[in-house]
Amino acid sequence: NAGVTQTPKFRILKIGQSMTLQCTQDMNHNYMYWYRQDPGMGLKLIYYSVGAGITDKGEVPNGYNVSRSTTEDFPLRLELAAPSQTSVYFCASGGGAWASFDEQFFGPGTRLTVL
Amino acid sequence: SQKIEQNSEALNIQEGKTATLTCNYTNYSPAYLQWYRQDPGRGPVFLLLIRENEKEKRKERLKVTFDTTLKQSLFHITASQPADSATYLCALQGTYKYIFGTGTRLKVLA
Repeated sequence: NAGVTQTPKFRILKIGQSMTLQCTQDMNHNYMYWYRQDPGMGLKLIYYSVGAGITDKGEVPNGYNVSRSTTEDFPLRLELAAPSQTSVYFCASGGGAWASFDEQFFGPGTRLTVL
Repeated sequence: SQKIEQNSEALNIQEGKTATLTCNYTNYSPAYLQWYRQDPGRGPVFLLLIRENEKEKRKERLKVTFDTTLKQSLFHITASQPADSATYLCALQGTYKYIFGTGTRLKVLA
């Protein structure tokens, strides 16, 4: 199993550009999450999904959108990039019916810089 | 609001000693608490989960305690090794959502 994969690994955007961060998991997990991590800060939840077709906002959703059309994929969309979105983005997935207390499996992260 | 605090100062210890990291939380009564390890440039990796009705959990050289009265979890690494050097994050969990601390950087000196 590849686990959780994210693309791209690095990206530089200009202010106002848009992009999609891709996330795929092959563990058949129902729950998927997007976090951002700023230097010296903890992980902040952006959006999460409890299954295909169901998404909800986390702590810092402004400026982002998500979709979950399949169990495997959970892309994160930035519509109008701003310098405040410079961060490292992690996608994670977690178990099945009992995922409310399962471990999370994290991807390797996408380092995004907005200039 | 719910808050998690981990010591933001780096912890340096000598190889072979026991490292103890602290996670305090307020305005929350989580049923579960998790600890993760994060190496530079990588995503966090799950280490241990402890439930509110468990006082202590062990896995090899790792031990976690969970005191719901003090609202505190302690994370111990016994017989520490330089390979244990990393940032350790605690996470509390509510329905579907996880709240992470900022992490404590541990450096084990040879």
